[in-house]
Amino acid sequence: NAGVTQTPKFRVLKTGQSMTLLCAQDMNHEYMYWYRQDPGMGLRLIHYSVGEGTTAKGEVPDGYNVSRLKKQNFLLGLESAAPSQTSVYFCASSRPTEAFFGQGTRLTVV
Amino acid sequence: GESVGLHLPTLSVQEGDNSIINCAYSNSASDYFIWYKQESGKGPQFIIDIRSNMDKRQGQRVTVLLNKTVKHLSLQIAATQPGDSAVYFCAENIQGAQKLVFGQGTRLTINP
Repeated sequence: NAGVTQTPKFRVLKTGQSMTLLCAQDMNHEYMYWYRQDPGMGLRLIHYSVGEGTTAKGEVPDGYNVSRLKKQNFLLGLESAAPSQTSVYFCASSRPTEAFFGQGTRLTVV
Repeated sequence: GESVGLHLPTLSVQEGDNSIINCAYSNSASDYFIWYKQESGKGPQFIIDIRSNMDKRQGQRVTVLLNKTVKHLSLQIAATQPGDSAVYFCAENIQGAQKLVFGQGTRLTINP
């Protein structure tokens, strides 16, 4: 089983560009999450979803949008990238307990 | 509020000693707590969890203690090994919201 797969693993964007990060899970989990992790800090919740077709804001949602059109996929979009969005992004999926994480996407905005 | 904080950002222990990593939380509605281990360049990995109706849970070489009175959580690692070097995060699940919120993290280093 692949578990949670994030694509791409690395990306460099110019300020103002847009992109979409894809998260795919093959565990039939209802809940999915997007976090960002900055140096010296923990994981901050951007958006999350409790089921197909539903999304909700987390702690730091500004500048990001998400969609959960299919249960297995959770997309994170940056409409107009800013240097402050340089970070490592982690996706996770879970049953009601025990979240499983992807390997992360390192995004640099220049 | 919804915040989970750690008392210490770094912890150094001698190989073979026991490690204790602490965490404070503030949301009384949290019903579930998890400890994660994150090695360099990898995503967090589940270690152990505990529900709010428990005060202790043991796993293989790890024990989690929950004190709801003072909103405190701790992770105890027995006989610490070099492979235990990592950043450890506590996380809380907000009851009803299914929102998993993480603390800042503690970096555990093992001295030979």
